[in-house]
Amino acid sequence: EAQVTQNPRYLITVTGKKLTVTCSQNMNHEYMSWYRQDPGLGLRQIYYSMNVEVTDKGDVPEGYKVSRKEKRNFPLILESPSPNQTSLYFCASSLARDSGANVLTFGAGSRLTVL
Amino acid sequence: AQSVAQPEDQVNVAEGNPLTVKCTYSVSGNPYLFWYVQYPNRGLQFLLKYITGDNLVKGSYGFEAEFNKSQTSFHLKKPSALVSDSALYFCAVRAGYSSASKIIFGSGTRLSIRP
Repeated sequence: EAQVTQNPRYLITVTGKKLTVTCSQNMNHEYMSWYRQDPGLGLRQIYYSMNVEVTDKGDVPEGYKVSRKEKRNFPLILESPSPNQTSLYFCASSLARDSGANVLTFGAGSRLTVL
Repeated sequence: AQSVAQPEDQVNVAEGNPLTVKCTYSVSGNPYLFWYVQYPNRGLQFLLKYITGDNLVKGSYGFEAEFNKSQTSFHLKKPSALVSDSALYFCAVRAGYSSASKIIFGSGTRLSIRP
């Protein structure tokens, strides 16, 4: 089944304790992206990647890091989490070639709470 | 600047009645417009998109959307609502041909269908 898999789905952590949210897709998509969803704000892009070793900042990159060493994986790293990073996180992927009309496939989401 | 507005936080409709979820956008150039749906504890799922051509676009689960260039709107519609349509709906716009061009999501509209 074609899918985007995120782990963990739920996580409660404390301020300053580094964590990684993994994202993996099995569709050979070039484009991958991380979003955070907050009430009343919709989805805001954190980082995106057009292909292996190519990443760029989205609208709200502060406090986050990403890497794209393999095409299928795009982990989101919070080096020193803070309470304002409590949110619902989504990873998404799509084809990248030729068309901005490509549809995003989303993971099921990771709900992160930082105490 | 590129933006998307969903003016209604919540829409309530009786089962069997028609429904409309509103979306307006602002981009420079030709827009690519999308609707996604989010069911509880799930990621976003693609419903439909407008690229070019016929202003009335048909999508999944009986939904359709009408592109209106003069009013810069892309309202989501369904002739007869089902209780199972209850979910959170997001409108999104991408300006530009490249997949690297930013996709902006609206703040979401919660659709509630009462039996």
